[in-house]
Amino acid sequence: GENVEQHPSTLSVQEGDSAVIKCTYSDSASNYFPWYKQELGKRPQLIIDIRSNVGEKKDQRIAVTLNKTAKHFSLHITETQPEDSAVYFCAAILSGSARQLTFGSGTQLTVLP
Amino acid sequence: NAGVTQTPKFQVLKTGQSMTLQCAQDMNHNSMYWYRQDPGMGLRLIYYSASEGTTDKGEVPNGYNVSRLNKREFSLRLESAAPSQTSVYFCASRATTGGADTQYFGPGTRLTVL
Repeated sequence: GENVEQHPSTLSVQEGDSAVIKCTYSDSASNYFPWYKQELGKRPQLIIDIRSNVGEKKDQRIAVTLNKTAKHFSLHITETQPEDSAVYFCAAILSGSARQLTFGSGTQLTVLP
Repeated sequence: NAGVTQTPKFQVLKTGQSMTLQCAQDMNHNSMYWYRQDPGMGLRLIYYSASEGTTDKGEVPNGYNVSRLNKREFSLRLESAAPSQTSVYFCASRATTGGADTQYFGPGTRLTVL
């Protein structure tokens, strides 16, 4: 079945530095790759997503890149701020009828002031 | 719009007890999902419903049943709770028109089984 691996599991950066989280997936038919942010005790919320016909997408300080050949995608956060501290999950969609998501195991990002 | 709502927010059960987690969405979405979240394991799909009247097993369905009561509501039932089912449970929904793939999550139910 579909497998999504996410690295690193924890990441600490100084405020203002960049953070990069990487995911690899196994199903070559996957064509949608969202990233979710989950603050402590809250629900996961979509922050950015990318489809397989695009190599990069940006939204202010957040960007996602996709390498379909290598089957990996990455989240880039620039100029990090303390409020970026959270758990980030990548996901890939299965090629099924309900477009099920398979999630990575998460990255705890801590931005140090 | 309330989005996706879940009840209860917290629940403590004893081993062997049963309970139903409720989920409702007011976004007219066709697909709905139940996940469990355990530390270090991300979100794992328990069951899903592609559309009203259909349900299918996800990655970890054992010990659970679901009911898609109508388009708005999708409930998750634990018939005989076990300590291994201690987790945070999230419901989500997704529109299926216009090529939409975004899943919207409810606030979660924190379940402890003693």
